[in-house]
Amino acid sequence: DAKTTQPPSMDCAEGRAANLPCNHSTISGNEYVYWYRQIHSQGPQYIIHGLKNNETNEMASLIITEDRKSSTLILPHATLRDTAVYYCIVRRAGGTSYGKLTFGQGTILTVHP
Amino acid sequence: DSGVTQTPKHLITATGQRVTLRCSPRSGDLSVYWYQQSLDQGLQFLIQYYNGEERAKGNILERFSAQQFPDLHSELNLSSLELGDSALYFCASSGGGQGAIGELFFGEGSRLTVL
Repeated sequence: DAKTTQPPSMDCAEGRAANLPCNHSTISGNEYVYWYRQIHSQGPQYIIHGLKNNETNEMASLIITEDRKSSTLILPHATLRDTAVYYCIVRRAGGTSYGKLTFGQGTILTVHP
Repeated sequence: DSGVTQTPKHLITATGQRVTLRCSPRSGDLSVYWYQQSLDQGLQFLIQYYNGEERAKGNILERFSAQQFPDLHSELNLSSLELGDSALYFCASSGGGQGAIGELFFGEGSRLTVL
């Protein structure tokens, strides 16, 4: 699976959009971009995933560049409860090792009042 | 609530002992995954089972073993415990096996402290 690079930490004001970047320059054509987050030692929580088109769900939006070498997770109106470690993971679909996610260090997002 | 249940939530034991962590996946999910999270190693994949069979293995120590039972619950057995085994152990489940691309649902974890 492709390696990802994320900034170690970011700050955001409550109510503003939080934009979390991720570089995955070695991504292959059949690899998806996944985002998970972990709130203070709780179990990781799935946020969103995409292949090449932009995706949106009730939690966030995922913007993937045309060359797929980077992506941005957008939390449109960050709240204090969004303070967490955010993990960007690149994962090939299929195969016998589906679910073998490689978590990096992630980005610690701190939302301030 | 992810629907994945892990017990016990906390466990304190001594070096050299053996413990069993239990996981009940979401209703209908066939795949179970175990992850370890320690301060120095981060979140690491240990092992995956699908419908009772081992499907993938990560950096799981030989002292550790797991199984998935016919009712789909899973147990992670840790033996000859060392101080370095102190960690959070997460179980996750998903509906798919090979070919699936969806999300994993994680439990709240079992915190193991080895003294």
